[in-house]
Amino acid sequence: NAGVTQTPKFQVLKTGQSMTLQCAQDMNHEYMSWYRQDPGMGLRLIHYSVGAGITDQGEVPNGYNVSRSTTEDFPLRLLSAAPSQTSVYFCASSSTTDTQYFGPGTRLTVL
Amino acid sequence: GESVGLHLPTLSVQEGDNSIINCAYSNSASDYFIWYKQESGKGPQFIIDIRSNMDKRQGQRVTVLLNKTVKHLSLQIAATQPGDSAVYFCADTTTGRRALTFGSGTRLQVQP
Repeated sequence: NAGVTQTPKFQVLKTGQSMTLQCAQDMNHEYMSWYRQDPGMGLRLIHYSVGAGITDQGEVPNGYNVSRSTTEDFPLRLLSAAPSQTSVYFCASSSTTDTQYFGPGTRLTVL
Repeated sequence: GESVGLHLPTLSVQEGDNSIINCAYSNSASDYFIWYKQESGKGPQFIIDIRSNMDKRQGQRVTVLLNKTVKHLSLQIAATQPGDSAVYFCADTTTGRRALTFGSGTRLQVQP
């Protein structure tokens, strides 16, 4: 049982490039979410999903897209990276309880 | 929690002392609260949670206190150890909503 896994661990992009951050969980959790963490701040919710085929926006959704085709996977797409998206990105999942479990994070730098 | 983007406050304690980390939240409708521990380069790790129908909950060496009147949460760590050194975040939400609102965090430094 690996829990929540994220790839890659580190990524450097140039402004305007696109990429997908991968997130997978093997706990059969319904709920999955993406947060970003900027220096000196707590995590802020980007997008979330309450089940396969259902997604919704969080606090800071602009510049990001998500989809949820399976229970296990919840990728986050940056269509045109901007320096303001330099951050550490965390994926989380939870079951019927409200407790969320986090992955190890992806550190993204946009030049 | 209140995400205000401030410089991360630091609490420095001696090994073996008790630590108290405080957190204010802003949503009076929140009814579920969690404390997370985040070590450098890692994701947040669940420590303990509490629901709004309780004032206090104890775990192993940790206790969470909730004061709904003033919208305040605290985490008490007994006999603090060097391995407790990390950044601690509180988070709150309403039941079923799942989306967490995080505080800005407190860095705990344990001096040996």
